Parts: sequence; C-alpha cells; structure tokens
Amino acid sequence: NAGVTQTPKFQVLKTGQSMTLQCAQDMNHEYMSWYRQDPGMGLRLIHYSVGAGITDQGEVPNGYNVSRSTTEDFPLRLLSAAPSQTSVYFCASKGNPNYGYTFGSGTRLTVV
Amino acid sequence: GNSVTQMEGPVTLSEEAFLTINCTYTATGYPSLFWYVQYPGEGLQLLLKATKADDKGSNKGFEATYRKETTSFHLEKGSVQVSDSAVYFCAWMDSSYKLIFGSGTRLLVRP
Repeated sequence: NAGVTQTPKFQVLKTGQSMTLQCAQDMNHEYMSWYRQDPGMGLRLIHYSVGAGITDQGEVPNGYNVSRSTTEDFPLRLLSAAPSQTSVYFCASKGNPNYGYTFGSGTRLTVV
Repeated sequence: GNSVTQMEGPVTLSEEAFLTINCTYTATGYPSLFWYVQYPGEGLQLLLKATKADDKGSNKGFEATYRKETTSFHLEKGSVQVSDSAVYFCAWMDSSYKLIFGSGTRLLVRP
C-alpha cells in the first residue's frame, strides 16, 4: 500500500496564479482532511470530507476549494494564490472511527 | 471554543532523562485524544491514542493517560534517546471526526 500520496512535493507560484494540490489514498478510507502547517501555529484544518460527495470547512477555509468525487482522491485548489498561503500542506485520511489519521508527506508551497 | 494547549518548547533534555510534555484540552463531549510526532523534514506519524477517560495510550516507550477530570493528556517517557528529537503534537478528535491540533512542542535530546 502506498498510503497517502501528495503531489507535488514542492511548488513555487506567483501571486494570483491558481493550482491544485493532489492527494490520493489507497486504503479505502472514508475520512480525508487538508491541513496547513505554519511555524509556531501547529496544523490548522482547511477542509475535510466524511465521504465521497461530502465536504465541509475547517478552521481556515478562505482561498481554498475542495471536492471529493471519489473515495480515493481529495484535491485542494488554490483559486488565486497569495503570499499568505505560503505554507506546508498536509493531506490525511482515516478509516476506522477509533483510529487516528494517516498523513501524507506534505507539499511545500511558496507564493512569491 | 474547542482547543488544545501544549507547553511551549523547545524542551531540551540529556539522553536518558525523563520527559513530560503537558497537554490540556477544551472540548464539549468526549473527544478522542492523540499524540503525533514529526521528525525533521517528514510528515506526522501517530504516536499513541486514547478514546475514553482513563485510557492509557502507549507506544515506543511513550505513554499518556486520558484524564477527564483535569482535561489533560500529558505525554511521558522514562528515558529519552537522541532519536526522540522531534516535534510532538497533541490533538483531539470530535464526534464529526475533525482532528484539531495543538501548536506543537519541539524536543531536543542531547547525547
């Protein structure tokens, strides 16, 4: 099993550009989430999904869109990148309700 | 609102010292509690968990007990190693399976 796969690992964007961060899991997990990690602030929840076709906002959703058309994939879209979105982004998934989330290795995004 | 508070780091210890990283939470209901570890340049790994009051999670010599009366989930290890140097995150998960993190505590273990 590959687990949770995030692509790309690194990305540099110019202000105003759009892009999609990809996340795929091969564990048939229902629950998926996106986080951003900034120095001194831990991980903050952007969006999450409890199953295909169902998404909801987390703590910091502004500037990001998500969709969940399949169980496996949960892409995160930046509509118009801003320097404040420079961060490390982590995708995570969970199956059994009593288990914790499994995290991907992250995407380091720089917006200039 | 619901939150997780961790002791600020960095925590610097000598090898074989005793480790405690404090974590308290504010939440309605009965959340599940977790400790995650992040080694340099890597993603987060689940270290241990507890799903109800008085549960003790343990893994790799680390332990934490879910104390409902003090709303705490402190991480402990009896004898740390240099390889334990990492950032440790406390987190809770609510009934909708949202996972909310504390700000993390950096641990540095010196030989």
